Amino acid sequence: AQKVTQAQTEISVVEKEDVTLDCVYETRDTTYYLFWYKQPPSGELVFLIRRNSFDEQNEISGRYSWNFQKSTSSFNFTITASQVVDSAVYFCPSEYGNKLVFGAGTILRVKS
Amino acid sequence: DAGVTQSPTHLIKTRGQQVTLRCSPKSGHDTVSWYQQALGQGPQFIFQYYEEEERQRGNFPDRFSGHQFPNYSSELNVNALLLGDSALYLCASSYVATNEKLFFGSGTQLSVL
Repeated sequence: AQKVTQAQTEISVVEKEDVTLDCVYETRDTTYYLFWYKQPPSGELVFLIRRNSFDEQNEISGRYSWNFQKSTSSFNFTITASQVVDSAVYFCPSEYGNKLVFGAGTILRVKS
Repeated sequence: DAGVTQSPTHLIKTRGQQVTLRCSPKSGHDTVSWYQQALGQGPQFIFQYYEEEERQRGNFPDRFSGHQFPNYSSELNVNALLLGDSALYLCASSYVATNEKLFFGSGTQLSVL
């Protein structure tokens, strides 16, 4: 079975600070897909990224960057120069069969 | 291009009642998945429909059932509602039963009193 752990329940930062959200996976699969989703107060889950566990290259998209380390089964997400609009709940599900397995999420609060 | 649309937005029911939630997938998508998200928790997979059949089911009782129509839209039915069924129900759509491009709707907030 898959298990996703997001140890940070809630993080508060001041605007323009950098923030890293942690995510750790437990799985017996050798290959799996990992995701990051953002859930603003509207409730809709917004897709951010999908990665294969074999790909350990860092990914950068604007202010967002991701770092996957197979040795620690971690897939961390960094927001550079955070903005108030980044305030949301962030999830890092893994794919298991036809479903996504979610952790509890991390609440990010960015204050102006 | 409309994304995933769900109706109703909010719903209040009492214990023992039955409820039907509806979902229209994003244009071009043929697969619909349903998730339940309790307050303060991550979404949990209920089931997935593709080609009008249930392809995979999560750990939910038979009180939860679904249907997919020829136009790919879907319904989630919950019978004999319990207080614990209060949650945000999210619908997600994709193409050919993959999660590569999984788009979520804004959900239906169900309150059971």
